[in-house]
Amino acid sequence: EIVLTQSPDFQSVTPREKIIITCRASHFIANNLHWYQQRPGQSPKLLIRFSSQSMSGVPSRFSGSGSGTDFNLTINSLEAEDAATYYCHQSSGLPQTFGQGTKVEIK
Amino acid sequence: QVHLVQSAGEVKKPGASVRVSCKASGDTFSTYGITWVRQAPGQGLKWLGWISNYNGLTNYAQNLQDRLTLTTDTTTNTAYMELKNLTSDDTAVYYCARDPSFRPPSKNWFDPWGQGTLVTVSS
Repeated sequence: EIVLTQSPDFQSVTPREKIIITCRASHFIANNLHWYQQRPGQSPKLLIRFSSQSMSGVPSRFSGSGSGTDFNLTINSLEAEDAATYYCHQSSGLPQTFGQGTKVEIK
Repeated sequence: QVHLVQSAGEVKKPGASVRVSCKASGDTFSTYGITWVRQAPGQGLKWLGWISNYNGLTNYAQNLQDRLTLTTDTTTNTAYMELKNLTSDDTAVYYCARDPSFRPPSKNWFDPWGQGTLVTVSS
């Protein structure tokens, strides 16, 4: 099983700050890495697919990068609505797995 | 634009079975698959399995394949997840999500997601 490890587990940030969430895979996964946002009480929402492809309608302050085993989700100029838990997900091998999540709090 | 609507929450006793439905609308059902994911209270996301709406082929998480059955009904555009022999560890919100893969193995992202179905297992 491919293990995804996210860091940090939690981050408290002020509005307009920038945050980088990292996701490290235990095995090579090429670019088969996707990012989701889950606001409290809601279903997950796909933000980025295949490491860096932004989904339609997602604000441009969200961007993804990386390949192989190391990936980043960058959120520029955070807004209050970005308070959520963020998950990475690998689709390279079965079972498909998720990172443990990074909770982002807006001060 | 696919839209997924799941069945209402259920309360089950240990040892019982549960069946959750996921009705799709908005795109040709047979052109994609459905993935199931669960989230225990306060926990992260766990992949349960995938089914092709094209031909019914499945992939299951190994630790659940004895108890989990995924099916689809192409006449009603509905996917089903049945989990047998429930224990308290199965208490979770169960999500279905559209998976663009209709041939195995799925190597894709999940979008959109259903609203989730809370399954509570309690004596």
